[in-house]
Order: sequence, then C-alpha cells, then structure tokens
Amino acid sequence: QKEVEQDPGPLSVPEGAIVSLNCTYSNSAFQYFMWYRQYSRKGPELLMYTYSSGNKEDGRFTAQVDKSSKYISLFIRDSQPSDSATYLCAMSAAGNKLTFGGGTRVLVKP
Amino acid sequence: DTAVSQTPKYLVTQMGNDKSIKCEQNLGHDTMYWYKQDSKKFLKIMFSYNNKELIINETVPNRFSPKSPDKAHLNLHINSLELGDSAVYFCASSQDRGYWFFGPGTRLTVL
Repeated sequence: QKEVEQDPGPLSVPEGAIVSLNCTYSNSAFQYFMWYRQYSRKGPELLMYTYSSGNKEDGRFTAQVDKSSKYISLFIRDSQPSDSATYLCAMSAAGNKLTFGGGTRVLVKP
Repeated sequence: DTAVSQTPKYLVTQMGNDKSIKCEQNLGHDTMYWYKQDSKKFLKIMFSYNNKELIINETVPNRFSPKSPDKAHLNLHINSLELGDSAVYFCASSQDRGYWFFGPGTRLTVL
C-alpha cells in the first residue's frame, strides 16, 4: 500500500462547478501538505501549501488538512477549462523529502 | 526568469549509452532533488542534496550518479542506460521546509 493514496480519476466537471479532490495518507509524521498542478508535458506547479491541520484559501482554491483522519482536500471554485490538468497532493514529515500521491486528472468541460 | 531550469528538455538515446542531465536553480535554496515520474505519472524521489552533500539516496541503481558542484547546481549522470530508465526526470529545490519548486522536466527515451 502506498504512503499517499489519490484517486487517479479522470474527474470530469462542467465549467463553473466546484472541483473536489482529496488524498489519504498513512504516515502520521507528515506535517507539511501541498497541492501541485501539472499540465501535460510540464513540471508540477505549486498551488497550495499548508502546515499541520486547518484550512487555507487562495482565490478560487481552498485546501483543507485533517490530520486526525489523515485526509487532505483541495476545492476549486468556479472551475474553468484552464483548470484541466493533473492535480498532485504531496506531503513531508521533516521537510527533507516530498512524498506524492499518484495524481488526479481533472477535465473541466466548457 | 526561470527558478529551476533543466537541460536538455528531451533526450533520446540507445540502450547502453551514458547520458547526463543538468539542473540549475536561482532561488538561493540549499536543498536540491531529483525526482522520476514514470508512465503512470507517479513522482518518486531519487536523490536529495543539501549544500552539495548527499542526504537522500532512495534505493536507486548505482548506474545513476548525482553530482552537485555547488549548491545552485545538481546534475544527474546515468551509465549503461536501460529501457526501464525511460521516464521524465524532474529537478526540484527547497529551503528550510518551505516550498518545493520543480523544473520543467527532462523526457528521457531509451530505445
């Protein structure tokens, strides 16, 4: 079993809908949590960074971390076709190694 | 103004050859990494260097040898390339448990 689990999708939503993504993990030492967006044939681009539990909002993006359930989420409001990409969750324990989920492919249809 | 850059972007080569990938970061970060992304898009860490010192080596075959001439550069040399080495290799950097920034990737195809 992988340390970080993420549904591969694809997740298809109409433009304007809320996209809901999540990851579960098994390592209770993880305390730094990130979401990356990766377009086809490009490098991962950092979207959200959260330390420990709680919520963080940045524009249309909201990240939530529930350490008691070992569960993190990313919500994208008012989704746009340009949000179509693969979204990767990533986490770290001591800040020296980033462990990724397998990524969820998202398709926002106009 | 590119934060993490890699060269080359594409690399096509024959089995058995030796090749190198170069990475440079201009963020002033102390730690640099090599990650491998396989055909299923799974990103896995290979190596980590902190201030030119190797700190993580994740059971990578010794055909792979990283080299850090200074803290802004981390190169990856691969000897005797095999078909299974075909993947996208990403360089990344970070500072003090902060954000990890990734390069654009090098797509390696071994024929």
